[in-house]
Amino acid sequence: DTGVSQDPRHKITKRGQNVTFRCDPISEHNRLYWYRQTLGQGPEFLTYFQNEAQLEKSRLLSDRFSAERPKGSFSTLEIQRTEQGDSAMYLCASSDLGGTNPIQIQYFGAGTRLSVL
Amino acid sequence: GESVGLHLPTLSVQEGDNSIINCAYSNSASDYFIWYKQESGKGPQFIIDIRSNMDKRQGQRVTVLLNKTVKHLSLQIAATQPGDSAVYFCAEPYPGGKLIFGQGTELSVKP
Repeated sequence: DTGVSQDPRHKITKRGQNVTFRCDPISEHNRLYWYRQTLGQGPEFLTYFQNEAQLEKSRLLSDRFSAERPKGSFSTLEIQRTEQGDSAMYLCASSDLGGTNPIQIQYFGAGTRLSVL
Repeated sequence: GESVGLHLPTLSVQEGDNSIINCAYSNSASDYFIWYKQESGKGPQFIIDIRSNMDKRQGQRVTVLLNKTVKHLSLQIAATQPGDSAVYFCAEPYPGGKLIFGQGTELSVKP
């Protein structure tokens, strides 16, 4: 499977615990995006990377959230001191900057569903 | 502001009928729109896109129409099949490429 891969698919945690999610983008895709999706809503942008550089963070991304993409390939999203309001689907997408189409289609993974008890 | 919205949250159609899913946007400077399909338990899947210099674009069984005058776009699915049951989102890329999604329309296909 050469699509975007996310791990784990499901995570149940207790309030106050830290959690970390991983995203493996499509090989050679230099842009990687994180979104959060709650039930009945569209995905909301959190942050994105171009290679290893984090270029934008949404104001939704509180100080408890941190994302990394250390080698410009896979990325991790960590949530510290989780709260019940963090319960959501966390989606990762990747795209290829460059090529003939100036608009880069984003390809999404299946997401990590987080439940904070 | 950053807003892409949809008119209807749910749509139920009979198998074989055509489906029309609508989307309103607020940024008149937008020059590109994308439709995504999201099946239960999966991430959004690209369906079709359209640039603002076009009024219509066709794909396989899908057509997107863009009306810039009223800032409205629609996704038409011909001969709707059970496999088309999903939530459909219109989305708009902003600088940097981040996508702004609408709330979504849930399409239900009755056999």
